Amino acid sequence: EAGVAQSPRYKIIEKRQSVAFWCNPISGHATLYWYQQILGQGPKLLIQFQNNGVVDDSQLPKDRFSAERLKGVDSTLKIQPAKLEDSAVYLCASSYSRGQAFFGQGTRLTVV
Amino acid sequence: AQSVTQLDSQVPVFEEAPVELRCNYSSSVSVYLFWYVQYPNQGLQLLLKYLSGSTLVKGINGFEAEFNKSQTSFHLRKPSVHISDTAEYFCAVTSTDSWGKLQFGAGTQVVVTP
Repeated sequence: EAGVAQSPRYKIIEKRQSVAFWCNPISGHATLYWYQQILGQGPKLLIQFQNNGVVDDSQLPKDRFSAERLKGVDSTLKIQPAKLEDSAVYLCASSYSRGQAFFGQGTRLTVV
Repeated sequence: AQSVTQLDSQVPVFEEAPVELRCNYSSSVSVYLFWYVQYPNQGLQLLLKYLSGSTLVKGINGFEAEFNKSQTSFHLRKPSVHISDTAEYFCAVTSTDSWGKLQFGAGTQVVVTP
């Protein structure tokens, strides 16, 4: 079966610009996650969706980050405006409602 | 809330030697435990998981881990490593009532040399 697809793989932007990442989960997976992985650290959960509803966004910096999951399938994570400290790999993962999470390859964001 | 501590940030090891990566967790509720591997510029791949039952868990690529509830540990082992095992390894925990909301450790970089 196809895995979790993410795009773009790499993105370089200047601070204060905006950026968006896209994720297509594994077909049939109701749960979708966005993780932020800063260099030298483990991934940190930003937001969890169940179908198209938000389950947990307690770690999402809502003043600049937003995410949506239209029709319970694809998801977009946006940062506006970006800061230097947002440089990280953004990982999308999906799972059945209760089950193992499968990760995409991630989007590496560099803010300069 | 849960937390995970990986005790070694980097582990150098010679090819065909054994390796052990240490992981300790803290939680006030029952947990599931995982080990993931991340190759350069790749996403996370599940090596193995402990959900219940036998405390010795076998995973892919010859890795195994042992869950020790009294010591709150979940150490990962491989008896003989290959060059291709060079990667970053992450221990993760989730509570049994919140599948998928993984709390990761900081990772252990394994460097295998000939």
